Amino acid sequence: KAGVTQTPRYLIKTRGQQVTLSCSPISGHRSVSWYQQTPGQGLQFLFEYFSETQRNKGNFPGRFSGRQFSNSRSEMNVSTLELGDSALYLCASSLEWAGKETQYFGPGTRLLVL
Amino acid sequence: TQLLEQSPQFLSIQEGENLTVYCNSSSVFSSLQWYRQEPGEGPVLLVTVVTGGEVKKLKRLTFQFGDARKDSSLHITAAQPGDTGLYLCAGVPSPGNTPLVFGKGTRLSVIA
Repeated sequence: KAGVTQTPRYLIKTRGQQVTLSCSPISGHRSVSWYQQTPGQGLQFLFEYFSETQRNKGNFPGRFSGRQFSNSRSEMNVSTLELGDSALYLCASSLEWAGKETQYFGPGTRLLVL
Repeated sequence: TQLLEQSPQFLSIQEGENLTVYCNSSSVFSSLQWYRQEPGEGPVLLVTVVTGGEVKKLKRLTFQFGDARKDSSLHITAAQPGDTGLYLCAGVPSPGNTPLVFGKGTRLSVIA
C-alpha cells in the first residue's frame, strides 16, 4: 500500500506570494491533518479534514486555508507569505479522526520564504 | 491550551548507554503517542499508551504512561546509532475528538 505523498517536496517563495501544497492520503483513509513544524515551535496543528469537511482548526491566521476533495486528497494554501511561514509542512492521514486512529505522516514539504 | 513539555531537548550519548526521555503536562490525556522522526521524513508512530500506569516494550525501548495520565517516559537500553533521530510525544486530549498536542521533541544522537 502506498504511503502518504506530498508535493512539492521543496519550495522557495518570496514574501507576499501565495503557495498551494498538496497531500494524497493512503488509499481508504478519510481524515487528513496538516501540521507546521519549526525548530522553535515544534509540530503545530493547522487543520483536519474528514470527508471534505473541516473538523478542527488550529490557532493560525486566516492566511492559512485548506480543503479536501471527494477522493480525500487535500490541499492547503498560504496567502501573503511571511518570512515566519518558512517551515516543514506535514500532512498525515488516518482512517477516522486523528485522535482515534493511527496517523501516517508524509515526508513533508519544506517551504522557504525569502 | 494543553501543553506537553519534553526533556531533555538535546541528548548526545555513546553507543551502549541507556537514556530516558520525559514528556510532562499539567493536563490529563486520554492517550499518549510516541513518534520518531528522521531527517527528510515525517514522524513514524512507535507506540500508543492508553491506560494510566501502562508499560509497553518495543525491543530495547520501554514506554510508560503515568498513573494520572499526565506524563510519559521513553527509556532506551543499550542505545545504537540507528536510534538517532527526533523523538516526539503527542497527547490526545481528554475528552476525545480534539487535535493531537505535540511536544517539541528530543533530538537524540547516538555516537558509535
